[in-house]
Amino acid sequence: EDQVTQSPEALRLQEGESSSLNCSYTVSGLRGLFWYRQDPGKGPEFLFTLYSAGEEKEKERLKATLTKKESFLHITAPKPEDSATYLCAVQAGNTDKLIFGTGTRLQVFP
Amino acid sequence: EAQVTQNPRYLITVTGKKLTVTCSQNMNHEYMSWYRQDPGLGLRQIYYSMNVEVTDKGDVPEGYKVSRKEKRNFPLILESPSPNQTSLYFCASSLGRGDPQYFGPGTRLLVL
Repeated sequence: EDQVTQSPEALRLQEGESSSLNCSYTVSGLRGLFWYRQDPGKGPEFLFTLYSAGEEKEKERLKATLTKKESFLHITAPKPEDSATYLCAVQAGNTDKLIFGTGTRLQVFP
Repeated sequence: EAQVTQNPRYLITVTGKKLTVTCSQNMNHEYMSWYRQDPGLGLRQIYYSMNVEVTDKGDVPEGYKVSRKEKRNFPLILESPSPNQTSLYFCASSLGRGDPQYFGPGTRLLVL
């Protein structure tokens, strides 16, 4: 069965304290892995798509990487405005469904 | 402005009273989808559509109906809502399969 697991569930960081969020997945042939940011009461906002192992994408303080079993979202020198829930989703090659993890709730304190 | 819109944003109803949540996108996207989001369960896909008149079930389709008569619109229909359908609902669209999905602002539904 296709599955996505994110860890940790919650993460508290001091401003400037770098860390990583994990997304482990099991799917029948990965078509794409997506990272989203969700602020309270709002719809998820697209961040990155990764398609194959070894691929990396960067945007400001965020960097996403992909292996055959997991993806990491690295946050370098985070700021309070990076506080949000980060969602990972995968699309298997044999389906048009998108499967989401339950997210990591990140809080960055000044 | 490219966007996905949903209406209404908030809805309180009673068990059994049919309701429709509308979703519209102005990006000429082929793929549209509905999700519900519940605490501890994350986002779960209800239905999706690859194109006009083409729809398919997601992981939690029971109690819901959809239609795709026009490319830009993808309404979600609850024929006989029940309290376990109280949730936060999101519509999303993407250019095609494998492309990132763009989400609407959400509809918060309470079924009494």
